[in-house]
Amino acid sequence: ELKVEQNPLFLSMQEGKNYTIYCNYSTTSDRLYWYRQDPGKSLESLFVLLSNGAVKQEGRLMASLDTKARLSTLHITAAVHDLSATYFCAVGTEYGNKLVFGAGTILRVKS
Amino acid sequence: GAVVSQHPSWVICKSGTSVKIECRSLDFQATTMFWYRQFPKQSLMLMATSNEGSKATYEQGVEKDKFLINHASLTLSTLTVTSAHPEDSSFYICSARTFRDLTEAFFGQGTRLTVV
Repeated sequence: ELKVEQNPLFLSMQEGKNYTIYCNYSTTSDRLYWYRQDPGKSLESLFVLLSNGAVKQEGRLMASLDTKARLSTLHITAAVHDLSATYFCAVGTEYGNKLVFGAGTILRVKS
Repeated sequence: GAVVSQHPSWVICKSGTSVKIECRSLDFQATTMFWYRQFPKQSLMLMATSNEGSKATYEQGVEKDKFLINHASLTLSTLTVTSAHPEDSSFYICSARTFRDLTEAFFGQGTRLTVV
């Protein structure tokens, strides 16, 4: 059974600082997703990572995937308040048909 | 990206009644739709997977008689919560996938269900 562990679960950071959210998963998968969720809202797709060594960047967020280590990271550079949200990683299973989500990381960026 | 519309956005119902939630793919044909439930401050848990024209596949622990899923067309799936109870209060989110691109799943806006 695929298990996805995300840490930290809560992250309070100062504006301008850098930090990384980690996502470990237990079995082989060919795809890894990162989503953002604002309070009371649905999911916003951030990144889809499909191969070992994949790195994608959008603004202050950068995601990477190491399929051998079964690890993905979401790196935040020079955080700003607007990045405050909950971030989920999700791993595709059964040929990517299902997604198993991590517990989520609540990010609070303080001014 | 593709658009998935979920309706209603929120609903309040009395205990014992049934509620239907619709999930529509607006600009693509969704061969597969997924229904998730999210309790406050928790992650998303997959409830069931539905393929157009066939019976839904439910995850372990999800009561198929309580959560009725119908995927009658390539653009519409419905989730009916039957005989709702307060413990069914949750945020329900659907997502859809097209046969053309299996790498991406598009999420609806979610439905906040409150059972009183």
